[in-house]
Order: sequence, then C-alpha cells, then structure tokens
Amino acid sequence: DAKTTQPPSMDCAEGRAANLPCNHSTISGNEYVYWYRQIHSQGPQYIIHGLKNNETNEMASLIITEDRKSSTLILPHATLRDTAVYYCIVLYSGNTPLVFGKGTRLSVIA
Amino acid sequence: EPEVTQTPSHQVTQMGQEVILRCVPISNHLYFYWYRQILGQKVEFLVSFYNNEISEKSEIFDDQFSVERPDGSNFTLKIRSTKLEDSAMYFCASSDPSGPVNTEAFFGQGTRLTVV
Repeated sequence: DAKTTQPPSMDCAEGRAANLPCNHSTISGNEYVYWYRQIHSQGPQYIIHGLKNNETNEMASLIITEDRKSSTLILPHATLRDTAVYYCIVLYSGNTPLVFGKGTRLSVIA
Repeated sequence: EPEVTQTPSHQVTQMGQEVILRCVPISNHLYFYWYRQILGQKVEFLVSFYNNEISEKSEIFDDQFSVERPDGSNFTLKIRSTKLEDSAMYFCASSDPSGPVNTEAFFGQGTRLTVV
C-alpha cells in the first residue's frame, strides 16, 4: 500500500503556481520522496525526487519539511498541459518498484 | 531523448487466448518492469526483471503471467488464457541500476488490452 497521503483533487488557474502537498509521516531516514504524474491515460512521467534538501529542475520544485514528514511539489507557472494526476511516492531507490496511490488530480483552468 | 517503446498500442483478444505484449526498454537500462492500470483504477506493479530473472513480483503476477527478454532489446509480457478482468492498460518501464541509487523509471505509453 502507498505510504503517502494526498488530497484527491485540486484546481489551479493557468499561469499561477500549483502547490501539491503530500504527507509521508512514516518515511524512514534513507527513503526518497519521488513525484510522478500521469497525463490522461499516458504512461507515468517522472518529475522530481529528493531526500532531505529542497530540489528544483526544469519542471518543478520540491520542498521537503525539516522533519521529512511532508513535502510540497510546486509547478511555478501551471499550464493547461499540466492537468494530470500527480503521485507522491516514497522509496529506497529509483530501481525499486513503484507503489502508486490514488494521487492528486490537478486541473489547470484557463 | 531516449524512450521506452511498447507495441501494439491496442490489442483486442478473445477470452481464453494468449497475448504477448512487447516492450523495447531504453538501451542502457538493466531493470525492467511491467505495471497495469484497470480503467479508472490505480497503476499496479506486476513484476520487475533484472539480470535475466524476476527480481520482484506482486500477488497479481500469478502463473497466468510470464516475462521474457528474448534478445538484447525486447522485453515481453505473456498472458495465458486471458480473462475479461485482464482488460487494462499495461505499462512497461525501465531504469538504470548503474547510475546513482536515486535514479528514476521511464515508462512507455502503454498497450491497451481489451479482452472480449
């Protein structure tokens, strides 16, 4: 079972920042926080991951709380193409099979 | 950009028939996976494959299923005696174990299997 808790859905206005929260209160010290998304029925797509420090790449930023019990994925300027289901997953290694929960369905609205 | 390729994109089969879903993982990747997603439900892990053998499998992956890497590029999922409840989107993925521990998985676009 997924070890994370996410809100089932969120809306965001186009051009605004989308902040997607995730609770992972039982995360262990050597587990990473990964984010993937699934646009419509396409294959899941990797977004970003982190261990303790905040991370940023060309797609998004990941903010992890100091106690590591929660994190927030930030899409700085959401577009209509960012409408998707976003999954927060904790795991030891990127080569570990992914356990998907229900994720957060983000709707970006024009 | 390298990508995972799956064929066919859509497969329709009669109940009781055998199907083979095909995947070409990214060329330097050595971990391979199959996942499935029944319409409207979560993405579920089926099996992972490394070093020419199954490394992990879920409860879903029973004797009806098998995987094979018949050559240096293809990775296949065989489903024997298909049932109506096997209808789903099947995703192949691959990852690179030679990289840092914190790597990511790359997914194909899926094969939609419809059992009639």
